Amino acid sequence: DIQMTQSPSSVSASVGDRVTITCRASQDISSWLAWYQQKPGKAPKVLIYAASNLQSGVPSRFSGSGSGTDFTLTISRLEPEDFATYYCQQGNSFPYTFGQGTKLE
Amino acid sequence: QVQLVESGGGVVQPGRSLRLSCAASGITFSNNGMHWVRQAPGKGLEWVAVIWHDGSNKYYADSVKGRFTISRDNAKDTLYLQMNSLRTEDTAVYYCARVMGSYFDLWGRGTLVTVSS
Repeated sequence: DIQMTQSPSSVSASVGDRVTITCRASQDISSWLAWYQQKPGKAPKVLIYAASNLQSGVPSRFSGSGSGTDFTLTISRLEPEDFATYYCQQGNSFPYTFGQGTKLE
Repeated sequence: QVQLVESGGGVVQPGRSLRLSCAASGITFSNNGMHWVRQAPGKGLEWVAVIWHDGSNKYYADSVKGRFTISRDNAKDTLYLQMNSLRTEDTAVYYCARVMGSYFDLWGRGTLVTVSS
């Protein structure tokens, strides 16, 4: 199975800050990576797919980069609604796997 | 209205069975593969199972293989998860999700399954 490791596990930031979250895959997954945002009691919401493609309707302050084994999610200027937990997910092979999550607080 | 709505969750004793349903509306259900993803209380996301758009292929996480069965009825726009021999570690919110390529673009609100004696 492909292991996905996110860092950090939590990050403290303020409105207006730039935040970067990283995700490392245990083997090459090309660009088969997505990022999700989850708020308490809600289902996850996709932000980025194929490593760097912004999902329709997602604000442009979110961006993704990387390929192979190393990926990043960047929020350029934090808004109050961005405080949530973020997950990466590999879609290269089954079983699909998620990172352990990064709580942005 | 585009949505997925799960149902069938509840409290069940260890070793018993439960069947979850996921009703789709506002989408062409038969066009896409469908997945189940679960989240134990206070924990991260865990992929559970996938079924191809036509039901021709299915894959399972090792943690549920041999106990859970994913199926679908495209005539009823509904996805199912039959869960047998339930364990306390199966306690989680279960989400159904539509796959677009290799990522999940549409999620239900989830249904809580609690396995407890």
